[in-house]
Amino acid sequence: EVQLVESGGGLVQPGTSLRLACAASGFTVSRSYMAWVRQAPGKGLEWVSLIYSGGSLYAESAKGRFTISRDDSTDTVYLQMNSLRVDDTAVYYCARDRYCPTSRCSGYFDLWGQGTLVTVSS
Amino acid sequence: QAVVTQEPSLTVSPGGTVTLTCDSSTGAVTSGHYPYWFQQKPGQAPRTLIYDTSNKHSWTPARFSGSLAGGKAALTLSGAQPEDEADYYCLLSYSGVRVFGGGTRLAVL
Repeated sequence: EVQLVESGGGLVQPGTSLRLACAASGFTVSRSYMAWVRQAPGKGLEWVSLIYSGGSLYAESAKGRFTISRDDSTDTVYLQMNSLRVDDTAVYYCARDRYCPTSRCSGYFDLWGQGTLVTVSS
Repeated sequence: QAVVTQEPSLTVSPGGTVTLTCDSSTGAVTSGHYPYWFQQKPGQAPRTLIYDTSNKHSWTPARFSGSLAGGKAALTLSGAQPEDEADYYCLLSYSGVRVFGGGTRLAVL
C-alpha cells in the first residue's frame, strides 16, 4: 500500500529540539519531491519545507532552524526542528509533492500522512 | 516571502456556482506559479483537487475546475453539493518555494 506515516510529535519546551519522521511505503522517496506542511490549531495550512534530488527549500519561518533530510535506505524523510517557539505549535503533515521515477513526474500532492502534533509550551 | 490571498469565506446555494480566487502579492498569477487547490474538511488531512492550474486528480469531482482569470488563479465549483462545504486552500510556487493562501471557508446553504 502506498502511504505516509508521520511520527515524532509531542510536547516540548520553547528553545528545545524535536525530530519528526515520515515513513513512506509503496514508493521510493529518492525519486520523489517530499514536503512538510503544518497547520496551527484553528489556522490555515503553511508550507514548511521540500526535499528533492536537487536539494532542499524552506519557508522563511523555517530557515535557519529546521532541516529536512531523508534516508533512502529506509524511505524515511525527517524534519529536524531546533530552537522551537510557541508559534511552531501545529499538526505537521508529510506529503508527496510529486513522484518522478523517470524524467516525467506525477502525483502532485497526491499523498498525505495523517499528521503528527507538535506542541511547544512551557 | 510572497503573500497569497484568498477570500476568507464564501457561501453558495446547493446546485449553485461559485468561484474562489487566489491572488499573489508579487503580481499576476501565471501558469509559472503552478497553482494548486486543496480541499480540507474538519479533522482530515488536505486533499488535492487541482494541480498546475487546471489538472485534476482521478478523485476530483467533475464539478470542480481550475483556471487563470484576471491575474488570479481560480477554482470554480459548478453545481455545489452539501459535501463540498469545507476549507479550500490554494498553493503557489515561487522558484520552488511554495506558499499557501490563507484559505476560503465555503458554506453550502
